Amino acid sequence: QKEVEQNSGPLSVPEGAIASLNCTYSDRGSQSFFWYRQYSGKSPELIMSIYSNGDKEDGRFTAQLNKASQYVSLLIRDSQPSDSATYLCAVNPSGNTGKLIFGQGTTLQVKP
Amino acid sequence: EAGVTQSPTHLIKTRGQQATLRCSPISGHTSVYWYQQALGLGLQFLLWYDEGEERNRGNFPPRFSGRQFPNYSSELNVNALELEDSALYLCASSPYRGRTLNQPQHFGDGTRLSIL
Repeated sequence: QKEVEQNSGPLSVPEGAIASLNCTYSDRGSQSFFWYRQYSGKSPELIMSIYSNGDKEDGRFTAQLNKASQYVSLLIRDSQPSDSATYLCAVNPSGNTGKLIFGQGTTLQVKP
Repeated sequence: EAGVTQSPTHLIKTRGQQATLRCSPISGHTSVYWYQQALGLGLQFLLWYDEGEERNRGNFPPRFSGRQFPNYSSELNVNALELEDSALYLCASSPYRGRTLNQPQHFGDGTRLSIL
């Protein structure tokens, strides 16, 4: 079992629709969860952080965390073609490791 | 506020050579992290430095090493380069105070290392 798993996609949605990206993790002691967006050939850009169960909203983005199910999701409302990118789920595992464990990423395509 | 800066942008080396990559963190950040992103693979954690000390390293051979300077900038050194070292090397920084590890990591634009 991979430590952080994401569906590689591509996930294709029409412009204006809601895109839903999912991530599961194996370390029950994980405390911090992040979503990064990475355009082709570019570096990851932080878009959301979430630390406690429930929803966290920031503009068109909503992150959801369910620690009991070891599940994190990202919803993108009113998807735009500029949202087309790879979305990386990252988890800070238990212990004083400093590292983030990344999923393989989900490629999102928003079609005009 | 300036972000994380990395240099050089691209680096071309041949097998057996040594490469040095540099990183300057966001002002006020004391922790620097290095990751490798090889083609088709996810980001893999390499090293974590804080307050000038190596705090943790990932599953990479000892020829991957680095250091952090008093101004919190950092170097990643890769010795005896191999073809599979070709990758994007990303540096990230975060503030770190004791056990407060929940701060997100902010990435630089990376150094693309190509081994011929």
